[in-house]
Amino acid sequence: QLLESGGGLVQPGGSLRLACAASGLTFSSYAMSWVRQAPGKGLEWVSTISGSGDSADYADSVRGRFTISRDNSKNTLYLQINSLRAEDTAVYYCAKDPWYCSGGICYHYFDLWGRGTLLSVSS
Amino acid sequence: EIVLTQSPGTLSLSPGERATLSCRASQSVSSAYLAWYQQKPGQAPRLLMYGASNRAAGIPDRFSGSGSGTDFTLTISRLEPEDFAVYYCQQYAISLWTFGQGTKVEIK
Repeated sequence: QLLESGGGLVQPGGSLRLACAASGLTFSSYAMSWVRQAPGKGLEWVSTISGSGDSADYADSVRGRFTISRDNSKNTLYLQINSLRAEDTAVYYCAKDPWYCSGGICYHYFDLWGRGTLLSVSS
Repeated sequence: EIVLTQSPGTLSLSPGERATLSCRASQSVSSAYLAWYQQKPGQAPRLLMYGASNRAAGIPDRFSGSGSGTDFTLTISRLEPEDFAVYYCQQYAISLWTFGQGTKVEIK
């Protein structure tokens, strides 16, 4: 399972680090992602990191302010968020990509999600 | 960036009816990288379909997916009370993921 933590109420311009603890899986084998959902809105992909941690991708809306990382020895995924803005207010989910291959076809999708942690940015 | 447009925005149906949800991409998408999710209020999304037409583990066979290129469909053959929720399509291309804006299936 995946369990996020670190959310809370933060002032604009502040910083925060979210964490996602994984259990019951070989954590280092999987790319991991962060997806967020603003109140009453749809899902927005934020960032993905490879299983080894040596490559990462970001949505344009967060590039330069968000940093994804992982500690495979602790089975934990992180999201460092700087220069927080009101529009960063959302539930942040972590999700696992199994990169499943069968019959010569490899599939990308998110098969395991955490329950989310709420980040509120407000003065 | 590939944009996914889902339609309709809201689908009002009765239990037992058939639901047909559409997901259209702004450019061609690999079917292997097209997934569908269900989300209920206060819950995390749940994977329904991957590879456009493959049901995830534990998903009942009243759910089916089809399509290729730019047009994909999620069909629920007979709506059960627990199927009323929001549904999202998702695609992956060139190291970027995008989601559709969602279709809400509500009880008529």
